[in-house]
This record gives sequence, structure tokens and C-alpha cells, in this order.
Amino acid sequence: EAGVVQSPRYKIIEKKQPVAFWCNPISGHNTLYWYRQNLGQGPELLIRYENEEAVDDSQLPKDRFSAERLKGVDSTLKIQPAELGDSAVYLCASSPGQVFSGANVLTFGAGSRLTVL
Amino acid sequence: GEDVEQSLFLSVREGDSSVINCTYTDSSSTYLYWYKQEPGAGLQLLTYIFSNMDMKQDQRLTVLLNKKDKHLSLRIADTQTGDSAIYFCAESRNTNAGKSTFGDGTTLTVKP
Repeated sequence: EAGVVQSPRYKIIEKKQPVAFWCNPISGHNTLYWYRQNLGQGPELLIRYENEEAVDDSQLPKDRFSAERLKGVDSTLKIQPAELGDSAVYLCASSPGQVFSGANVLTFGAGSRLTVL
Repeated sequence: GEDVEQSLFLSVREGDSSVINCTYTDSSSTYLYWYKQEPGAGLQLLTYIFSNMDMKQDQRLTVLLNKKDKHLSLRIADTQTGDSAIYFCAESRNTNAGKSTFGDGTTLTVKP
């Protein structure tokens, strides 16, 4: 089992440039999350997918952030244009989904560290 | 909204016990979690407890929950240098469909 795979691991860009992050969740996990983790803080949810549907995107800054999960498996998070304050680690996580009732156990990827200059 | 708070730093000697504390505000929290994050890695679930329990033990880990005071603690027995990491407390209200709210983490340093 490869776990949750994210790429790239590191990205350095200049402000106003676009950037995209990719996530491949654990096979069979219907729920996929994108979190942003600022330095010295805990993860904050940006968007949650149940299969292809974004069921919670209330914290996603929609003027510059977008996400998609077209076939209910892989997901892409895009920022365009990036701002200095977007520097953070972007974490993808997955969980089994609605068929599993009980604790909301997340499996996280290693994250994509974004630096905006 | 929900709020989860933790102390920022804890330093212990190898072999001692570590106790990491967390408080939360949402009385509707259903599950409370402890995650571990090592440098350059994502968060790894250590353990979780259902809100109708007051204690859970898993090998060297003991979780205590005081629901009345909304206080959660993680005790690590016989702390090792490999336990040095950031520990995050989190809560969720719903079964799997809900989102988890995380604290800002406690950095545990284990000195030889």
C-alpha cells in the first residue's frame, strides 16, 4: 500500500505565478481532503470531497484557489495567482468514506511545501 | 466555532513519561484524536477515543478524556528519542462524514 501520494514535495515560485498540486489517495478511499498547514500551526481544511463532489469548500479562497477530483480518485489543487501569504504546506488526506461509520480517521500524505517569493 | 488548544512545547528525558494536554470547546465533539508529525512528513494517527469513554490504553500510549472539563491528554510511557515530534490534538463531531479541527500542535523534545 503506497499510502497517500502527493507531488511535488517542494515548489518555489514568484508571486502572481500559478501552481498546482496533485494527490493520489489510498485506493478505495471515497473521501479526500485538502488541508493547508501554516508554519507552527495545525492543518486547516480547505476542501473535502465525497467521491467527485465537493461537499465542504467553505474555507477555500475561491478567488484564487480551485480544486477538482474528476473521476473520484486523484485530485488537483490549483492556486492562480499565488500570493506571498500562500506559502505553506498543502496536505492531502483521505478516509474510507460514508460506508464506514465511526471515527474520522485520516491518512495524510507527506505534503507539498510551497514557497512564494 | 470549534477551538482546540494545546501547549506549544514539552521537553522530557529519555525513559520518563510525557504528558501532552489539550482542551477543546465543542461539547458536541464525538471523537478526539492524537496525531504525530515528524519533520517533513504528514500527520500520522496515533490513537483516538470516543467521547463516551474516559480512558484508552494502547501499548505505551494512554489517552485520558475529561468530558466535563473538555480536556484530553496523551501520556507516553518510557519516552524514547524517536518520540520527538509534533503532536496534534483533533476533534470531530460527526462520524466519518465530518471534518476534523486540529490544535496547533505540541513539540515534544526528548533528551538523551
